[in-house]
Amino acid sequence: EAGVTQFPSHSVIEKGQTVTLRCDPISGHDNLYWYRRVMGKEIKFLLHFVKESKQDESGMPNNRFLAERTGGTYSTLKVQPAELEDSGVYFCASSQEQGRDTEAFFGQGTRLTVV
Amino acid sequence: AQKVTQAQTEISVVEKEDVTLDCVYETRDTTYYLFWYKQPPSGELVFLIRRNSFDEQNEISGRYSWNFQKSTSSFNFTITASQVVDSAVYFCALSEEGGTYKYIFGTGTRLKVLA
Repeated sequence: EAGVTQFPSHSVIEKGQTVTLRCDPISGHDNLYWYRRVMGKEIKFLLHFVKESKQDESGMPNNRFLAERTGGTYSTLKVQPAELEDSGVYFCASSQEQGRDTEAFFGQGTRLTVV
Repeated sequence: AQKVTQAQTEISVVEKEDVTLDCVYETRDTTYYLFWYKQPPSGELVFLIRRNSFDEQNEISGRYSWNFQKSTSSFNFTITASQVVDSAVYFCALSEEGGTYKYIFGTGTRLKVLA
């Protein structure tokens, strides 16, 4: 069974440009999460999809970030325009059941560097 | 407010030594879940264990063991007879009350096992 996959693995862009990150969850997982780790700090929640609906987007930093999950399968996270403070590792995770007693499966992350 | 503290930023041990990674959490909830994840150099977060707040039994899985103590709000992780392959960043996480069950992570502890 394929795990959570994320594309690209690395992205270096200039301030003001647009970047789109993609996440393919494990097949059949309705729950999809985005997290971000800024250098040396904790991994922070960004948002949660249940199928194609946003269940919780309380962690999204600002309106430069737009997440979509069309059809309830893969998800994209667009940053437009990117700022220096957006640099970090963006993780995607998915889970089958929604509940505190269910672990989430994470991808390898996308390392975004804004210069 | 919910919070997870991993006070050890980096630990270095020599192979075959035992090592304990500390995790202290804060929560107002009476029901909650705690997790440990391992991040090897490849980048993905690998699930290690899930523990609910009503189960304070310690758990052992091979060389890994976990000590959950509600009285001190701690969920420590011990690796016995460490190996070079144990070198990674280890994250402790708390699942939050609410509909999304998102994770609150600590800042992680980088473990280096030297041959």
